[in-house]
Amino acid sequence: AQSVTQLDSQVPVFEEAPVELRCNYSSSVSVYLFWYVQYPNQGLQLLLKYLSGSTLVKGINGFEAEFNKSQTSFHLRKPSVHISDTAEYFCAVTNYGGSQGNLIFGKGTKLSVKP
Amino acid sequence: GAVVSQHPSRVICKSGTSVKIECRSLDFQATTMFWYRQFPKQSLMLMATSNEGSKATYEQGVEKDKFLINHASLTLSTLTVTSAHPEDSSFYICSARDPLRSGEAFFGQGTRLTVV
Repeated sequence: AQSVTQLDSQVPVFEEAPVELRCNYSSSVSVYLFWYVQYPNQGLQLLLKYLSGSTLVKGINGFEAEFNKSQTSFHLRKPSVHISDTAEYFCAVTNYGGSQGNLIFGKGTKLSVKP
Repeated sequence: GAVVSQHPSRVICKSGTSVKIECRSLDFQATTMFWYRQFPKQSLMLMATSNEGSKATYEQGVEKDKFLINHASLTLSTLTVTSAHPEDSSFYICSARDPLRSGEAFFGQGTRLTVV
């Protein structure tokens, strides 16, 4: 079974500052990793994903994440945040490819960007 | 990208009534869809896996008779909350994975259910 730990429930940061949202996972098999963003009362939007290949993954809105197998981590980073990045961010894992397999989510990190 | 449409986005119902939520994949066929429930300020918890043409697979602790799932076609899954009670009030989200886009799940907009 897989599990996901998001170490920070809330991350306050000033506009234009860099940010890192931490995610660690556990699994006995190879996994696929994802970061999703959720704005209030909305569904989830995919930011980026790691399936295979390069461990540094670039996503939308200037976000990137690095898969570190030895540390079982997939931390999300952005060099300069905007007010509009204020949202809830979820890290997720699955060990299935194709159309099967559900995602296991972390508890989420609320990013608050202050002017 | 692929689109998953969920309807309605908000619904208020009286205690004891049933509510149906629809989840449609608009531009791909989804043999499998997933239903999640999200409590305020918490993560998404998988309720069940909806399989086209067969019975849904429910997670432990989810009442099958209360949360009826039907996946009648490759583009539509429905979740019916039967005899709803105030404790069923929550945010319900569906997702579907496109078999042609390995590993990526697309989410509906979510449904805010309030039982009064």
